[in-house]
Amino acid sequence: NAGVTQTPKFRVLKTGQSMTLLCAQDMNHEYMYWYRQDPGMGLRLIHYSVGEGTTAKGEVPDGYNVSRLKKQNFLLGLESAAPSQTSVYFCASSYSPGGLDIQYFGAGTRLSVL
Amino acid sequence: QQQVKQSPQSLIVQKGGISIINCAYENTAFDYFPWYQQFPGKGPALLIAIRPDVSEKKEGRFTISFNKSAKQFSLHIMDSQPGDSATYFCAASIRRNTPLVFGKGTRLSVIA
Repeated sequence: NAGVTQTPKFRVLKTGQSMTLLCAQDMNHEYMYWYRQDPGMGLRLIHYSVGEGTTAKGEVPDGYNVSRLKKQNFLLGLESAAPSQTSVYFCASSYSPGGLDIQYFGAGTRLSVL
Repeated sequence: QQQVKQSPQSLIVQKGGISIINCAYENTAFDYFPWYQQFPGKGPALLIAIRPDVSEKKEGRFTISFNKSAKQFSLHIMDSQPGDSATYFCAASIRRNTPLVFGKGTRLSVIA
């Protein structure tokens, strides 16, 4: 049981390049999320999904696209990377046992855009 | 507009002392308030959570105090240990399975 796995762990891009970050979860969770973490800014929601085939915008969606073709995978795409997208990206999946909502996070992808 | 305000940004506590981190929220529709703990190089992990029908929840050395009228909640870490050194995030959500809104985080250092 790996939990939430993010690939790659590190990436350096040049401005204008594109890339896809992959998130995979093996817990059969319906809900998945993409966040970015910047110093002093906390975690900000980019996009999320409430189930296979669904996506929704979060707080900072501009410059990103997502897809949830399979329940276990949630992909985050950068079509034309900008230096402002230099950040650590976290994926999470969640479920609700009893009165709790528990988000399980991956280990993150550290992205630098030059 | 920041919906969850967290303070302080950083905190240094002596081993054995009490660490206190505070959060304030604006949206009265929030009804779930978790705290997440993050160690360097790792993703955040749920530490403890509370719903507004109770004023306090304790799990081991960690306690959440909740004040609905003041729209504030806080995390208390009793007998703080060096292993507690991490970044702590408060968060809030409107209902089950809706996205969390996070505070900006508090970096806690527990020194011996």
